[in-house]
Amino acid sequence: ILNVEQSPQSLHVQEGDSTNFTCSFPSSNFYALHWYRWETAKSPEALFVMTLNGDEKKKGRISATLNTKEGYSYLYIKGSQPEDSATYLCALSNYGQNFVFGPGTRLSVLP
Amino acid sequence: DGGITQSPKYLFRKEGQNVTLSCEQNLNHDAMYWYRQDPGQGLRLIYYSQIVNDFQKGDIAEGYSVSREKKESFPLTVTSAQKNPTAFYLCASTPTSGGNIQYFGAGTRLSVL
Repeated sequence: ILNVEQSPQSLHVQEGDSTNFTCSFPSSNFYALHWYRWETAKSPEALFVMTLNGDEKKKGRISATLNTKEGYSYLYIKGSQPEDSATYLCALSNYGQNFVFGPGTRLSVLP
Repeated sequence: DGGITQSPKYLFRKEGQNVTLSCEQNLNHDAMYWYRQDPGQGLRLIYYSQIVNDFQKGDIAEGYSVSREKKESFPLTVTSAQKNPTAFYLCASTPTSGGNIQYFGAGTRLSVL
């Protein structure tokens, strides 16, 4: 089972700032890398699924990249808004059944 | 609306008691999962099921049991053998086994009295 790490553990940014966090993993032996957003008192929601080295995905102000050769994925948020406040989870899935989740990055956007 | 429903939202367990957490989905998904979250840790897999009447242990199955008698239901029982049950429990499902997006319920927070 791969160990998925995320950094930072938490961060606070001002409204309008752009920010990014990292998901790192020791091996490229997985099928897909997933990013989820988990708002307080809600269910985690899928943001992106990436499978290939060099993949880039974008949804509005949020984008993500995948570098399997160097073992990381970045999640970027441009012009952070208070509604972006959430915990962002990174997970790896294999061809079988398992998802391995990182501990998450808790983002607080201050108005 | 299609989705995953977990109940109850909050649950208290007395020492020596078994408690059951409910997870129901109307997404017609094949695979269902139970995760546990503790502060500062990622979601850890307790049990999963790919098909009705079949399930497999995850990484931390000790002290838990499940059943999958219906496609839409995957209840989790926290037994008295689980000595540290206080945690947040999430149920999830995927359309087919392996590699797909997981859809989550809103979770159940279990505390010990």
